[in-house]
Amino acid sequence: QITMKESGPTLVKPTQTLTLTCTFSGFSLSTSGEGVGWIRQPPGKALEWVGIIYWNDDQRYSPSLKSRLTITKDTSKNQVLLTMTNMDPVDTATYYCAHRRAGANPFDYWGQGTLVTVSS
Amino acid sequence: QSVLTQPPSASGTPGQRVTISCSGSSSNIGFNTVNWYQQLPGRAPKVLIYRNNQRPSGVPDRFSGSKSGTSASLAISGLQSGDEADYYCAAWDDSLNGPVFGGGTKLTVL
Repeated sequence: QITMKESGPTLVKPTQTLTLTCTFSGFSLSTSGEGVGWIRQPPGKALEWVGIIYWNDDQRYSPSLKSRLTITKDTSKNQVLLTMTNMDPVDTATYYCAHRRAGANPFDYWGQGTLVTVSS
Repeated sequence: QSVLTQPPSASGTPGQRVTISCSGSSSNIGFNTVNWYQQLPGRAPKVLIYRNNQRPSGVPDRFSGSKSGTSASLAISGLQSGDEADYYCAAWDDSLNGPVFGGGTKLTVL
């Protein structure tokens, strides 16, 4: 059974850097085809894809956020880290991590999400 | 402004059949499969339909998906009060090199 869980700060100040951790179980990011993605959702708004990292360290980022994003993995700890620089109040959102296998597959297992508020 | 276009709302009475549309382009729905997610109030999204019309185990057959050209649809038959949720379509976009989501449709059971 795959489980995903996000952790990190709930409040960051404008211009600060956000680092979120996704801790997962039930699969290994060293196994061919496995991937972990990040999706965010501003309060009352739609889902927005942020980025994804695969077993082979292939990283894909939303073009609108690419310059501010880094996604890395720690296979030994079963963790994926999302780093987003220069945070702005418009980045206030619930951030989800989710499992996705490469190919024509959905995000099939999601974490509960963590609300990050950007405010001074 | 979402890449995929959905109606912001839909409604129906218990037992009724409702459909939710999702419109895209050749760079996403036209050449890639469509997934549908259900988000109950206060909960994380859950995959409802994948690869246009496949249901994960545990999803009732009241839910069905279809795709034609650059559009897709989610149909829910035998509507229940527990189906009140936000529904999102999604597809890989070859131009953006990543998945794109619709703006979501809020389903109300009257």
